Amino acid sequence: DAGVTQSPTHLIKTRGQQVTLRCSPKSGHDTVSWYQQALGQGPQFIFQYYEEEERQRGNFPDRFSGHQFPNYSSELNVNALLLGDSALYLCASSLVRGADTEAFFGQGTRLTVV
Amino acid sequence: RKEVEQDPGPFNVPEGATVAFNCTYSNSASQSFFWYRQDCRKEPKLLMSVYSSGNEDGRFTAQLNRASQYISLLIRDSKLSDSATYLCVVGRRGGGNKLTFGTGTQLKVEL
Repeated sequence: DAGVTQSPTHLIKTRGQQVTLRCSPKSGHDTVSWYQQALGQGPQFIFQYYEEEERQRGNFPDRFSGHQFPNYSSELNVNALLLGDSALYLCASSLVRGADTEAFFGQGTRLTVV
Repeated sequence: RKEVEQDPGPFNVPEGATVAFNCTYSNSASQSFFWYRQDCRKEPKLLMSVYSSGNEDGRFTAQLNRASQYISLLIRDSKLSDSATYLCVVGRRGGGNKLTFGTGTQLKVEL
């Protein structure tokens, strides 16, 4: 049973470019949340997708957008990259309903903007 | 004021010591509470959920005081392998919905 998988694991981009990060949730999970973790900080909630729609959003600008596909996998897109976007981007999957309330995290994508 | 506040540490303790981490949260609507562990350059992993009645898992004890909006984690008989960052986490509903993380408390257990 595969856990949460993210790709790529590492990425280097130039300021102003656009990036797409990908996440496949744990088998049986229907909800994907994205988090940004800067060095020395706790993860910060970006947004959450369920039933292919953005359900909740944190305090991030519109440059951050996402998508969820019918197979529950998800993408995070960041446009017009800034140096401050350099961080570890974590995907977490969970079930909206049911007894399994734990959120499982992928290993993350480490994005460096130069 | 941050929604979840923790002492960032680091806490340097000898092997076998007992160490306590504290956390406060500001949103009284918070309904679920957790401690996550994060090893260096790895993803966070659930250590334990926290309940009002308090709960214990081996050497780890977690407590929640809703009136004071305070969460604690006690680690007894520390092991070298306990060295990690411990993240205090609150959620509004269940574990799968939006989670708000503290900055984490770094623990280093030394010989």
